[in-house]
Order: sequence, then C-alpha cells, then structure tokens
Amino acid sequence: GQQLNQSPQSMFIQEGEDVSMNCTSSSIFNTWLWYKQEPGEGPVLLIALYKAGELTSNGRLTAQFGITRKDSFLNISASIPSDVGIYFCNTGKLIFGQGTTLQVKP
Amino acid sequence: EPEVTQTPSHQVTQMGQEVILRCVPISNHLYFYWYRQILGQKVEFLVSFYNNEISEKSEIFDDQFSVERPDGSNFTLKIRSTKLEDSAMYFCASSETPGANSPLHFGNGTRLTVT
Repeated sequence: GQQLNQSPQSMFIQEGEDVSMNCTSSSIFNTWLWYKQEPGEGPVLLIALYKAGELTSNGRLTAQFGITRKDSFLNISASIPSDVGIYFCNTGKLIFGQGTTLQVKP
Repeated sequence: EPEVTQTPSHQVTQMGQEVILRCVPISNHLYFYWYRQILGQKVEFLVSFYNNEISEKSEIFDDQFSVERPDGSNFTLKIRSTKLEDSAMYFCASSETPGANSPLHFGNGTRLTVT
C-alpha cells in the first residue's frame, strides 16, 4: 500500500540551529501537510501544501511540495526549545509518515 | 478557537473487557475520524465517519471495533473485547470536508492501557 518515508527518524540539535526533514513516497499526491505533536497532545497542523513546487512559510517554518509530487520537506530555522516534538508528514486523511522526533538543547 | 475534546484522558481496562472512548468533534465539522498511535510509533488511520455511516476503514478496524454518533455532539469508538495489543493512544479528529485540503483537527487523545 501507499507509504510515506520520513527522515531523519530523530534529531538532537542545539538551540539556534536550523533543522531540515523530509518525506518521500513512490506514489504521487496532490496535497502534503505537516503536523507537529507535542507530548500528551494530538497532532496540530503546521503547514499545508496544495501545488507541486509550492513553497510556503509559517514563521520560522518553511515547507515545499516537491515538483515530482512524491516528496516534501520541512525546514525550521533558528530552532528554539519549544520546537521540541514529533513532526509528521501527511498526504490527506489516511496516511502519516513515521515521524521525526526533534529535541532541542538550550 | 473551537477544539475537539476527548474523554477519558486515560483508561485502564482488563483484557477482554469492553471500552468506549468518547469524542466531541468541532460543532460545524461533518467528518469524523479515529486514529491510533502505539507508543513511539506513527499515527495510524482507523476509520472515517460521515452522515451516520462509516465512509472508510483500515484493516486495523476489525469486527472488534465499532463507531457511533449517538447524538448530535458525541462520536464514540467501542472496542468490544480488548486485547493487550490494543494498548495505545486513540485520537479523534474532525474536518469540515473529506478532501485532503481540509485539515484534520485532533483531540488530545485517550491513552488506553489493557492489562
């Protein structure tokens, strides 16, 4: 079945560093969404992408919809401790990536 | 901002017992979902529900599971006879439309522990 391969699986970085994570698939999608899950809470939408090649920012977050429609990446610039959490890519209602766990050292 | 609420936040039950997990979706949303997240793993789709019937379900959602909208506000997930491997976080979500461009709004989950 369809699967989203998300990498890296985890990251442990220093506060102030930039972060990059991506999500790939062998299937083509029309939508890519990125969610963040903080401990003890449900995922919350960060950025939604609806068009191949689209580059969208939300504060320090930037995400791109790959031109092949098979991938997407999420960048976080100048990380801060509250960026800690698990970041999931998603292509609609059914499929989530395995998640990237981000830890930020103050 | 409207939110999805789930109760209880934590449920402990013995193997073989029935459990009902409850959710109140956002009031103007028409599409409802249940997801499962085993500790440390990804979010897995269980079922979607619209117009008082299941619209889609995964292979995880077997005969032990059922969903219901008993009134105008609640949306429930029932596990008929729990197994140890049902231990997980269960998230309810709702959306305005079923399309991928209508994001999911998640509750904070119910942690189910089966002993």
